Amino acid sequence: EAQVTQNPRYLITVTGKKLTVTCSQNMNHEYMSWYRQDPGLGLRQIYYSMNVEVTDKGDVPEGYKVSRKEKRNFPLILESPSPNQTSLYFCASGREGPTDTQYFGPGTRLTVL
Amino acid sequence: GQNIDQPTEMTATEGAIVQINCTYQTSGFNGLFWYQQHAGEAPTFLSYNVLDGLEEKGRFSSFLSRSKGYSYLLLKELQMKDSASYLCAVRAYNFNKFYFGSGTKLNVKP
Repeated sequence: EAQVTQNPRYLITVTGKKLTVTCSQNMNHEYMSWYRQDPGLGLRQIYYSMNVEVTDKGDVPEGYKVSRKEKRNFPLILESPSPNQTSLYFCASGREGPTDTQYFGPGTRLTVL
Repeated sequence: GQNIDQPTEMTATEGAIVQINCTYQTSGFNGLFWYQQHAGEAPTFLSYNVLDGLEEKGRFSSFLSRSKGYSYLLLKELQMKDSASYLCAVRAYNFNKFYFGSGTKLNVKP
């Protein structure tokens, strides 16, 4: 089954404790992206990647890191999480063509205390 | 920067037609997407417009006017399962960045 998977689905952590949210897709997509979704603000793009070893900032990259060492995986790293990073996070992937849509993972609900 | 506006919430009756509007102001444009998102779930793709005009897919249609920076999603023969948030998203000029509106929550009543 074609899908985007994220782990963990739910995470409660404390300020300053490094964490990684994994994202994997099995559709051989070139494009992958991370978003956060907050009430009243909609989805905001954090980082995206056009292919292996190619990453770039979205609208809200501060406090986040990403890497793309393999085509299928695109982990999101929070080196020192803070409470303002409490949010619902979505990973997405798609082909690189301009008409191609994105396919979203199930989401990770992160709470930073 | 980018600015994408949608109504926050709408209510419609089962079997009716509803139009959800989206206006955008962007420094570049390479397509407009509509997604459906049920509460607690991931967004799923509904439609895509890059040229002016109407795109029809079953009960869903989407319209785009690039000169006016305007799009709408039309849902016909509303069903209870259409109760969800509808997200308008613009793909930026370099194809890589996406900008989303805050979403329109549609409530379908019996």
